[in-house]
Amino acid sequence: EAGVVQSPRYKIIEKKQPVAFWCNPISGHNTLYWYLQNLGQGPELLIRYENEEAVDDSQLPKDRFSAERLKGVDSTLKIQPAELGDSAVYLCASSLDLGSPLHFGNGTRLTVT
Amino acid sequence: AQTVTQSQPEMSVQEAETVTLSCTYDTSESDYYLFWYKQPPSRQMILVIRQEAYKQQNATENRFSVNFQKAAKSFSLKISDSQLGDAAMYFCAYSGGSNYKLTFGKGTLLTVNP
Repeated sequence: EAGVVQSPRYKIIEKKQPVAFWCNPISGHNTLYWYLQNLGQGPELLIRYENEEAVDDSQLPKDRFSAERLKGVDSTLKIQPAELGDSAVYLCASSLDLGSPLHFGNGTRLTVT
Repeated sequence: AQTVTQSQPEMSVQEAETVTLSCTYDTSESDYYLFWYKQPPSRQMILVIRQEAYKQQNATENRFSVNFQKAAKSFSLKISDSQLGDAAMYFCAYSGGSNYKLTFGKGTLLTVNP
């Protein structure tokens, strides 16, 4: 089966610019996650979707971050405007359902200059 | 809140030898899952092994095995016959509670010396 696909792999932007990340989960996986991984740290959950519904977005900085999962499949994560501290790796993961093992994509490394 | 602690920022092992990575966690739940994930330079998090808390038997996947001590809240990973391809960051993770939120430790960087 195809894995979780993320794009782009790398993104360099200037501060105050917008940026978007895209994720295509494994086919049939109802649960989709966006994680933030700072250098030298473990991933931290930003948002979790059950189908189209965002069921856990308590860690998402809503003043500048937004996410959507149209039709319960692909998802995009947007930052507007980006700040220097947003430089990190953004990981997308999916699972068959809540409680099943997560499958991760390769992540997007964002550098904000 | 659940916390996961990996006390070894870095570990090294000689090729073909055995190494053990430590992990402790804190939770008030009785039913939960524990995981070890591997993250090579490609950045993709790869599931190495999974343990269900209600199972007393330690999980094993080929050269990878765990020592799960529920009372001590300890979940160590043993890698036998280490290979160069095992070199990576290893993350211990906990999933439990009503939302099964996955909480990661800070990771252990494993180096395998030829």
